[in-house]
Amino acid sequence: QVQLVESGGGVVQPGRSLRLSCAASGFSFSSYLMHWVRQAPGKGLEWVAVISRDGGTKYYADSVKGRFTISRDNSKNTLYLQMNSLRAEDTAVFFCARAPPLDKYDSSGYYFDHWGQGTLVTVSS
Amino acid sequence: QTVVTQEPSFAVSPGGTVTLTCALTSGSVSSSYYPSWYQQTPGQAPRTLIHSTNARSSGVPDRFSGSILGNKAALTITGAQADDESDYYCVLYMGSGPAVFGGGTKLTVL
Repeated sequence: QVQLVESGGGVVQPGRSLRLSCAASGFSFSSYLMHWVRQAPGKGLEWVAVISRDGGTKYYADSVKGRFTISRDNSKNTLYLQMNSLRAEDTAVFFCARAPPLDKYDSSGYYFDHWGQGTLVTVSS
Repeated sequence: QTVVTQEPSFAVSPGGTVTLTCALTSGSVSSSYYPSWYQQTPGQAPRTLIHSTNARSSGVPDRFSGSILGNKAALTITGAQADDESDYYCVLYMGSGPAVFGGGTKLTVL
């Protein structure tokens, strides 16, 4: 069955870096778009970033653009999120999510069909 | 900037029917946006309920249904149960690019 398992969360000081991973199994990883979505404490879901099937196209939320980098290793079935210059407002649970493509040109996916359980990132001094 | 809006909160009686909506601040929602709906209880990952306006995900009870009502996407829960008390989020597909979540609706069953 489809499994997405995030790891790498923890407590980090403002300005420091952290890399999240999402290990995928049970499906053809390279056939799907992959997203990161986060949720700050007591807040709603916020989309963070998406990466295309071959990793060549990436989109970011304005709130993380220039600080976060999404990447994937299709040989390892793993999605990553490199987070630099972390701020207190980045404190959140980060979820990875799978998105099927609408067609062969789609580089975002038209909905989220599977989610990981999330990993908590706390940015605090 | 595209903004997707949802009712902040809603209440329904057990056994009752409730319709949550998902709108655009400018323009109408149609099936071309492939509206999808997600349920989330505190401390849990989101669960996918509906995609492509009205397609239920595997294992989702048929008391959950999706539609287009006027110029909005809608999620209807028929025969609400206590464990339907959750936050519900919609997403509209805008083509290749950023995904856009609605602000979510907190549903209370009382």
